[in-house]
Amino acid sequence: EAQVTQNPRYLITVTGKKLTVTCSQNMNHEYMSWYRQDPGLGLRQIYYSMNVEVTDKGDVPEGYKVSRKEKRNFPLILESPSPNQTSLYFCASSLDSGQGYEQFFGPGTRLTVL
Amino acid sequence: GQQLNQSPQSMFIQEGEDVSMNCTSSSIFNTWLWYKQDPGEGPVLLIALYKAGELTSNGRLTAQFGITRKDSFLNISASIPSDVGIYFCAGVDNQGGKLIFGQGTELSVKP
Repeated sequence: EAQVTQNPRYLITVTGKKLTVTCSQNMNHEYMSWYRQDPGLGLRQIYYSMNVEVTDKGDVPEGYKVSRKEKRNFPLILESPSPNQTSLYFCASSLDSGQGYEQFFGPGTRLTVL
Repeated sequence: GQQLNQSPQSMFIQEGEDVSMNCTSSSIFNTWLWYKQDPGEGPVLLIALYKAGELTSNGRLTAQFGITRKDSFLNISASIPSDVGIYFCAGVDNQGGKLIFGQGTELSVKP
């Protein structure tokens, strides 16, 4: 089944404790992206990747890192999480970044930073 | 940075009614997208618009790409209970790659 998977789905952590949220897609998509969703603000893009070893900042990259060593995986890293990073995070992928933009979204990861 | 203003923020309607929501931007976008998010899930693409003035339908949904390239609207005709969810507009910036989302319109449909 074609899908985007994220792990974990729920995470409660404490300020400063490094964490990684994994994202994997099985559709051989070139383009992958991370978003955070906050009430009243919609979805905001954190980072995106057009292909392996190519990453770029979205609108809210501060406090986050990503890597794209393989086509299928695009982990989101929070080196030193803070409470303002409490949010619902979505990973998405699409065939490429050209026309079509049918981004397939994962199920979401709800992160709470205490 | 670029921003999209989506309205209304929420709507409560009766089953069978038509619905209209819109998005405006201070910047020009080359592509407009409309997504729907069901509770507890990620957004799913409904309609993609690529040309200014384009009017596109998908079943009971119709969306238009404004002539100025700074706005778009989505209409849902004869709403049904499964239309409940959050609808997002999104614009693709001119460099490609960056997707800017509106704040969302939360739709509730009374049977």
